[in-house]
Amino acid sequence: GAGVSQSPSNKVTEKGKDVELRCDPISGHTALYWYRQSLGQGLEFLIYFQGNSAPDKSGLPSDRFSAERTGGSVSTLTIQRTQQEDSAVYLCASSSYTGLQYFGPGTRLTVT
Amino acid sequence: TQLLEQSPQFLSIQEGENLTVYCNSSSVFSSLQWYRQEPGEGPVLLVTVVTGGEVKKLKRLTFQFGDARKDSSLHITAAQPGDTGLYLCAGEATGTASKLTFGTGTRLQVTL
Repeated sequence: GAGVSQSPSNKVTEKGKDVELRCDPISGHTALYWYRQSLGQGLEFLIYFQGNSAPDKSGLPSDRFSAERTGGSVSTLTIQRTQQEDSAVYLCASSSYTGLQYFGPGTRLTVT
Repeated sequence: TQLLEQSPQFLSIQEGENLTVYCNSSSVFSSLQWYRQEPGEGPVLLVTVVTGGEVKKLKRLTFQFGDARKDSSLHITAAQPGDTGLYLCAGEATGTASKLTFGTGTRLQVTL
């Protein structure tokens, strides 16, 4: 009965390095979402996976951002050549057929 | 791009006071959700409203969806310190497969 989990909880990286953020959705949830939240603000949609369909990448801010979802479960968000403006909390959510989204605790990314 | 504006951005009140948070857009949404987020955690769903004019109550919280489904409000009666947090509204537009547009957020602090 675990909720959505994300790792790491905090990540500090140097500008120009690549980072990978992981999301473990609730078991059985077919949909998975990634959002970005800057400094206590609202959430910005990044990418959405639904089952085996092609992901909706319309929210990715640049080609430095990519995500994959292996086996319809775990997802990894990769940011290449990180920039200081990438610093934010990255949140993952999953949902079942109801569409109600359950969020993980997020990964706080700091680019120095 | 659909935008959801929340007001006020910040609210600091004393225990026992009443307050209302507004969520406004020029776009129509098929449903609107309210979340509360505490520091270091992901947003937690409070309520979903789907019908224009709908009013839902959750203990001391009253949620209303505008008749035209473009706006919503959250009213808290007799606020308590446990109500402190970031309140987010999020709209789902028709045909967007549960992809949510989040509001700018209202940070509420309730003091003794």
